[in-house]
Amino acid sequence: DTGVSQNPRHKITKRGQNVTFRCDPISEHNRLYWYRQTLGQGPEFLTYFQNEAQLEKSRLLSDRFSAERPKGSFSTLEIQRTEQGDSAMYLCASSATGNTIYFGEGSWLTVV
Amino acid sequence: DQQVKQNSPSLSVQEGRISILNCDYTNSMFDYFLWYKKYPAEGPTFLISISSIKDKNEDGRFTVFLNKSAKHLSLHIVPSQPGDSAVYFCAASDRGSGTYKYIFGTGTRLKVLA
Repeated sequence: DTGVSQNPRHKITKRGQNVTFRCDPISEHNRLYWYRQTLGQGPEFLTYFQNEAQLEKSRLLSDRFSAERPKGSFSTLEIQRTEQGDSAMYLCASSATGNTIYFGEGSWLTVV
Repeated sequence: DQQVKQNSPSLSVQEGRISILNCDYTNSMFDYFLWYKKYPAEGPTFLISISSIKDKNEDGRFTVFLNKSAKHLSLHIVPSQPGDSAVYFCAASDRGSGTYKYIFGTGTRLKVLA
């Protein structure tokens, strides 16, 4: 049983460019989460899906951020017109019908 | 407004001794709690959970205690080992409201000294 897989693991981009991260959850996990973590902080909730439905979205998620989960399998998180403040680790997690969420290794974004 | 707080940014403990990591929350509706360990450049790893219907849950060297009246939980690691050195996060969710979103604390860095 493979864990949550995230790609790319590292991304360096110029300010103003768009970036997309992909997350493959644990097989048959119906809930998928996106979190963001910066240095010295805990994971900060961005959004979560149950199957293909996006059920909740943080107020912190500006219009430049969009997440999708077509067909309830993998998910993508796109950040448009990146800003230096977007530099962070983007974490994906998934869960089954239970309560524990399992995280991937994260995708580091550096905006220069 | 930080709903989940870990007021100790760091903690040092001798190998073999007990490590106690604390977590406070403000939302009395939180009914499920998780603890994670995180090494640098890796995602958080799940350790142990507790439901609000319990006041203790144990798994090997890890025990979590929940005091609902004080809105406080703690993670005990006995005995502490050098490999336990990491950042520990607590997280809470209000499942009763229909959400499965977890709110995380800011973490406590544990250093176990050999």
